[in-house]
Amino acid sequence: GQQVMQIPQYQHVQEGEDFTTYCNSSTTLSNIQWYKQRPGGHPVFLIQLVKSGEVKKQKRLTFQFGEAKKNSSLHITATQTTDVGTYFCAGGRGANSKLTFGKGITLSVRP
Amino acid sequence: DADVTQTPRNRITKTGKRIMLECSQTKGHDRMYWYRQDPGLGLRLIYYSFDVKDINKGEISDGYSVSRQAQAKFSLSLESAIPNQTALYFCATSDYDLAGELFFGEGSRLTVL
Repeated sequence: GQQVMQIPQYQHVQEGEDFTTYCNSSTTLSNIQWYKQRPGGHPVFLIQLVKSGEVKKQKRLTFQFGEAKKNSSLHITATQTTDVGTYFCAGGRGANSKLTFGKGITLSVRP
Repeated sequence: DADVTQTPRNRITKTGKRIMLECSQTKGHDRMYWYRQDPGLGLRLIYYSFDVKDINKGEISDGYSVSRQAQAKFSLSLESAIPNQTALYFCATSDYDLAGELFFGEGSRLTVL
């Protein structure tokens, strides 16, 4: 079945450093979503990408969908302590297909 | 008030007991989902429902059942709880299709002793 992979599971950065994480699918996706879960909280939708090569920005966060629509990246510029949490990607294969979540990457930021 | 409400938020039970987790939403969405979260395993889909008359198994439905009582209500049952069902359970809704944005409830933490 479809697999969505996020490696590593944990990353620690110094506040102010940039952070990049990747999401890779075993199959071509129609869309990819990113969610953030704060410690003790629930996942919250960040963004959806649907076009090959698409790049979207949200303040210090930049999301990209690969040209082959099989991978995606999340880049955080100048991390802050408020960026702490677990970031999940989730891939879909079109209308009525199930979203498959990656295992997530937990980011910690040293002040 | 939260748009997606889960009850109970925390529950401790014993092996063999029947447990129901309830989810209600005020977003008017047709689609509802139950996910399970375990450390290191991410979010795994248990069941999903496109509308009141539609119920579908997800990737880990064994040991679980669901009921869609109304558009706004979707409950998850464990007929005979076992310790490896100890987890954090999330209900979610979406408006368009399975590729639409998911709105999650605050979660129900279940411990089976």
